[in-house]
Amino acid sequence: GAGVSQSPSNKVTEKGKDVELRCDPISGHTALYWYRQRLGQGLEFLIYFQGNSAPDKSGLPSDRFSAERTGESVSTLTIQRTQQEDSAVYLCASSLVPSSGANVLTFGAGSRLTVL
Amino acid sequence: QQQVKQSPQSLIVQKGGISIINCAYENTAFDYFPWYQQFPGKGPALLIAIRPDVSEKKEGRFTISFNKSAKQFSLHIMDSQPGDSATYFCAASKPGGGFKTIFGAGTRLFVKA
Repeated sequence: GAGVSQSPSNKVTEKGKDVELRCDPISGHTALYWYRQRLGQGLEFLIYFQGNSAPDKSGLPSDRFSAERTGESVSTLTIQRTQQEDSAVYLCASSLVPSSGANVLTFGAGSRLTVL
Repeated sequence: QQQVKQSPQSLIVQKGGISIINCAYENTAFDYFPWYQQFPGKGPALLIAIRPDVSEKKEGRFTISFNKSAKQFSLHIMDSQPGDSATYFCAASKPGGGFKTIFGAGTRLFVKA
């Protein structure tokens, strides 16, 4: 597609349940990012995938959070045993990674997660 | 060394005024400095960007000023309009895929009509 697609756009779940959030990046984009954005707050980096390199997981807040990416395509962010503090918008972004020049991230519209 | 520090956290400007948001970085390997604009309910989108080989870039009412020696860059919004009310993020990246883009903490701009 023309942009980064995220699903679901909204998810309401009960505390303790597992959730999966999906991101379809722009075709050909080798880099993929996940961010968490709490209401009125900034972008909290979660994880970065680049090609076949080991992902940078340094932003994952706990072992309840994990993410996978199949090659240079779809990524899934999984949150196990959700807590109320996990409520946020989860944003995905993808980019080409040029050896020089503009490195522009294209963001999806986000998945809004509400944990009751 | 990987941080990008952004200020102010929030900004209120009268319509027609100038909005100024500042960012500072440490790592001199950064070679691309974009600004992203985010409206409520949307993902951030690229607004304007600059490379360190120029000191200023202007696109319409938006200008980036870049001070390489001070390792600082700023976004100026001239003739600010209520439609400019959004959150603005500065960022920095390095060439190649080994390093992720680093974002500032964001500035919430409100332009009063």
